[in-house]
Amino acid sequence: EPEVTQTPSHQVTQMGQEVILRCVPISNHLYFYWYRQILGQKVEFLVSFYNNEISEKSEIFDDQFSVERPDGSNFTLKIRSTKLEDSAMYFCASTEDRQSSGNTIYFGEGSWLTVV
Amino acid sequence: GDSVTQMEGPVTLSEEAFLTINCTYTATGYPSLFWYVQYPGEGLQLLLKATKADDKGSNKGFEATYRKETTSFHLEKGSVQVSDSAVYFCALSDRYGGSQGNLIFGKGTKLSVKP
Repeated sequence: EPEVTQTPSHQVTQMGQEVILRCVPISNHLYFYWYRQILGQKVEFLVSFYNNEISEKSEIFDDQFSVERPDGSNFTLKIRSTKLEDSAMYFCASTEDRQSSGNTIYFGEGSWLTVV
Repeated sequence: GDSVTQMEGPVTLSEEAFLTINCTYTATGYPSLFWYVQYPGEGLQLLLKATKADDKGSNKGFEATYRKETTSFHLEKGSVQVSDSAVYFCALSDRYGGSQGNLIFGKGTKLSVKP
């Protein structure tokens, strides 16, 4: 079965540093997402991406965050100047067609970010 | 705004026991409802879904019925197995019927099944 892959699986970074989390969505998918889950809290939507631009973002997704699809296969989440409260599991997801009721959204295994 | 509330875990059951994980939601529109599962070391996987009132989603012996009158989507399984040990997430989509963009998740319920 096709899968979404994420790297790294775990990253520890110093507060104030920049982090890039990488994702390879399923190859024929068109919509891409980032979600995050702070330990013990809900999985939260961050951003959706379609046709090389952000289609929607949540209040969490402020100027500290950015997304990019640099080469047609990778989908990255950049977090600038990391804070302690950015420590969380970050999930990448993709789906073939956002509008269709028959389609499934596929999630990666997550990237666990620890800011110290 | 829209939200999902599911029962706190962890839930520990013996093999072959009956499972219920409660999930209720609040939504301004007419959401689609989902259960996702995360097995240890793996990503979130769609377990089942329902897109309109009274729909029953089912998969791998799990079932959940979309109850608009009680705004609930409780997950049930008649006889759990050790391999069902995982974290289960209830979620809703605040978009078009069945579309899965911009999911709103509950906190997750960890299930442990003992042999």
